[in-house]
Order: sequence, then C-alpha cells, then structure tokens
Amino acid sequence: GQQLNQSPQSMFIQEGEDVSMNCTSSSIFNTWLWYKQDPGEGPVLLIALYKAGELTSNGRLTAQFGITRKDSFLNISASIPSDVGIYFCAGQLLSGSGGSNYKLTFGKGTLLTMNP
Amino acid sequence: DAGVTQSPTHLIKTRGQHVTLRCSPISGHKSVSWYQQVLGQGPQFIFQYYEKEERGRGNFPDRFSARQFPNYSSELNVNALLLGDSALYLCASSLGQGVWGYTFGSGTRLTVV
Repeated sequence: GQQLNQSPQSMFIQEGEDVSMNCTSSSIFNTWLWYKQDPGEGPVLLIALYKAGELTSNGRLTAQFGITRKDSFLNISASIPSDVGIYFCAGQLLSGSGGSNYKLTFGKGTLLTMNP
Repeated sequence: DAGVTQSPTHLIKTRGQHVTLRCSPISGHKSVSWYQQVLGQGPQFIFQYYEKEERGRGNFPDRFSARQFPNYSSELNVNALLLGDSALYLCASSLGQGVWGYTFGSGTRLTVV
C-alpha cells in the first residue's frame, strides 16, 4: 500500500540536541499528523496540522504543513531521554470519493535513539 | 475515561485458521478504523466503520472483514490466516468520520505460525 517518504530512517542524538525529521508525498494531503509510538503501544498524537503553511507548536515540538500540501516537518528542541521512540507522519489524502477521505496514510517512521 | 481498548493483547494462530479481534472505542466516539502494522513499517489502513456502516476499505484481500455493533464496538475478522498476516493490529476511534480526536488503542499482536 501507499506510504509516505519519511526521513531520516533513524537518528542517534545526544541529550539537549535539536532534532528534525520530514515527510514527503507525491499526493496532496489536507491534513498532516505527527505521532510517537513506544514499544508495545499504539501511536500517540503529537501535533495535527490542518492548513497549508500552518506552523504549530506543542511544548518542545514544532511542526509545519508544507505550502505545496505534499510535505511536513517535525522539530524537537532540546531533546530529553523520554523523546526516544518511533515517530510517524501521517496524512489524510484529499479525495473526491467517500470513505477513502478518512483513512490515514503513514510514513515508515523515524527511530530516535539517544546516546547514553 | 477509558481509552480505546483492544482484545486480546497477544494471539498465536496457525496458518489456515480464523481470528477475531475486538475493539471498544472511547465513549461517545462513533467511528472505528482498523490498521495493520507489520514490523518495521507504518500502519496500513484496513477499514473504517461509522454508524455501523463500512465507510472505507484499504487494499486488503476479502479474507479480511469487519463489522460495527450498535454500541459502536467493532470486530475485525481474518480468515485463512497466512504467515504474512503476522502484525500488530491497531484500532482507532474518532468522534465522526474525520480525523478529529483520532485515538489509537495499544493493539493486538497477532503471530501466525
């Protein structure tokens, strides 16, 4: 099935560093979402973006909805150990058909690990 | 308030068997969606149900089916299990058909041997 192109695949960081990851698609999305998934858990919503160009913050997290509607990025500032996990971008595809309007298409994830 | 609850949490089945997974949405949520997450991949959309009707279906074979009950809980059924069906199956509920309030459960880990 279709997936978004998410990069980087993995990152090793030091505590206190800033982190950037992004997501691109060949399709236009009308909503971008960023999730974090810890082992054995379902994805937890971090930030939702609903308008092209929108820049939204949630604490140390900042995300932007690309102006072309085909990309989004997530920044984490001053990383801490609990930021470790897998981050997923997800988009809601703009479609003229019925139910397919409401599915989410996910990236493959960015694994964030921290050097001790 | 309870979040999205899924049962069972883990399951081991043999190839060719049938499996039923269950999901209870957040109270007040009328939409339930199902996703399959294979190890190392992002979740893939399987179904969405809203007000007990199928409103969307992903690219999965007819061996996959689902339904939603009057209390908005849902079941995902998979027939004739294949090794490749081994995955984490996630349920998400939301207030309406859109992604507002979209909340995932912790999933059911299915292993097919």
